[in-house]
Amino acid sequence: DSGVTQTPKHLITATGQRVTLRCSPRSGDLSVYWYQQSLDQGLQFLIHYYNGEERAKGNILERFSAQQFPDLHSELNLSSLELGDSALYFCASSSPLILFGNEQFFGPGTRLTVL
Amino acid sequence: AQSVSQHNHHVILSEAASLELGCNYSYGGTVNLFWYVQYPGQHLQLLLKYFSGDPLVKGIKGFEAEFIKSKFSFNLRKPSVQWSDTAEYFCAVRDGGSQGNLIFGKGTKLSVKP
Repeated sequence: DSGVTQTPKHLITATGQRVTLRCSPRSGDLSVYWYQQSLDQGLQFLIHYYNGEERAKGNILERFSAQQFPDLHSELNLSSLELGDSALYFCASSSPLILFGNEQFFGPGTRLTVL
Repeated sequence: AQSVSQHNHHVILSEAASLELGCNYSYGGTVNLFWYVQYPGQHLQLLLKYFSGDPLVKGIKGFEAEFIKSKFSFNLRKPSVQWSDTAEYFCAVRDGGSQGNLIFGKGTKLSVKP
């Protein structure tokens, strides 16, 4: 158990719908990263938040957005869903302290299936 | 931008065989490198990491990796694999500073035959 929690574990929805994925980082971690894992694209970085502020964006579609709340949990919102959005979505968190090597700890993921 | 390439898509070994998985990154300068493992149905777990210092890094479960700066490589090794090592292995490089995101290779699926 990495200490990072994600809900829900599985999500099945239809094209055109909107879903929200939730991530709670490890206690004390200020950074939350979102990654998408699909068979064709592999593991791709989507977005990074640090202490409530967006820090970096990767290959995130405009239909996707995220935020990090004052209690440091983060939500990834996916809208106008397409079949190709079916994937495993991971979040990861890391400590702000160099002492801990800034290792990223991954959550169990949310498996999204768009029908 | 950084990129990571893993040479082997699928490796099949018998138990007790030695393992070496290749990983190359694209960008020079200071790099933070990682190997993660994903067991079937599970999340990514860190095997080992290289930040600086000794280029031979030892990780968990008997894995080690060697950072060779001149070759932009960070290959993963294990002298004797076990059936329980069956998993997918991902090499990653950190993009940017200490809080930067990870850029992953496509992964190598390892199947160990008992």
